[in-house]
Amino acid sequence: QSALTQPPSASGSPGQSVTISCAGSSGDVGGGHNYVSWYQQHPGKAPRLLIYLVNKRPSGVPERFSGSKSGTTASLTVSDLQAEDEAVYYCSAYTGSNSLLFGGGTELTVL
Amino acid sequence: QVQLVESGGGVVQPGGSLRLSCAASGFAFNSFAMHWVRQAPVKGLEWVAVMAFDGSNIYYADSVKGRFTISRDNSKNTLFLHMSNLSAEDTAVYYCGRQYCVNGVCYSYYYGLDVWGQGTSVTVS
Repeated sequence: QSALTQPPSASGSPGQSVTISCAGSSGDVGGGHNYVSWYQQHPGKAPRLLIYLVNKRPSGVPERFSGSKSGTTASLTVSDLQAEDEAVYYCSAYTGSNSLLFGGGTELTVL
Repeated sequence: QVQLVESGGGVVQPGGSLRLSCAASGFAFNSFAMHWVRQAPVKGLEWVAVMAFDGSNIYYADSVKGRFTISRDNSKNTLFLHMSNLSAEDTAVYYCGRQYCVNGVCYSYYYGLDVWGQGTSVTVS
């Protein structure tokens, strides 16, 4: 299966909001299970779970990070952008057949 | 604290084998499903495999099926990945990750991975 489709880059100024998309198919992102998650990865570091089940935040993740889904496209919105948000963001979705797919990653630049 | 530490990476020739380890500490390892995820140089993440908390269920990505074997030793809080018939396409940093459980309840292997190791590098050349 092909990776989920994310834009390679996104940017915004401090205090602004930016939305990153993640396009999949009816079998994964669009599946009824809603097993869509998002990760943040800083250079040389392991990924950090930001969002699970499309729009739920694990404890400790700021409310500035929010997720949503429409059809076969999921989105991550980062509000009130801060310098430390500069990182690569990955979406992930369950395929419905006991495997996970990741997106190609979106590099977020805080201008 | 909750921690995962991978080891066992290195340089291996094409067609060779390698075994990776992931040592867990700070949590009840035998209660969580565990994943392996890899990241090729300057590339994105690729899911590799998952094993249930008790080893009862195992699933692999098509790209590694038949070549990689995931296993665990709950008495030693350690997860393994045995890799064989390696090719250049397997060159990557390999991470182990813990399934995310909501308020201590583990609903699905696929909610997300909330604890990751620092990764171990595998180069096939």
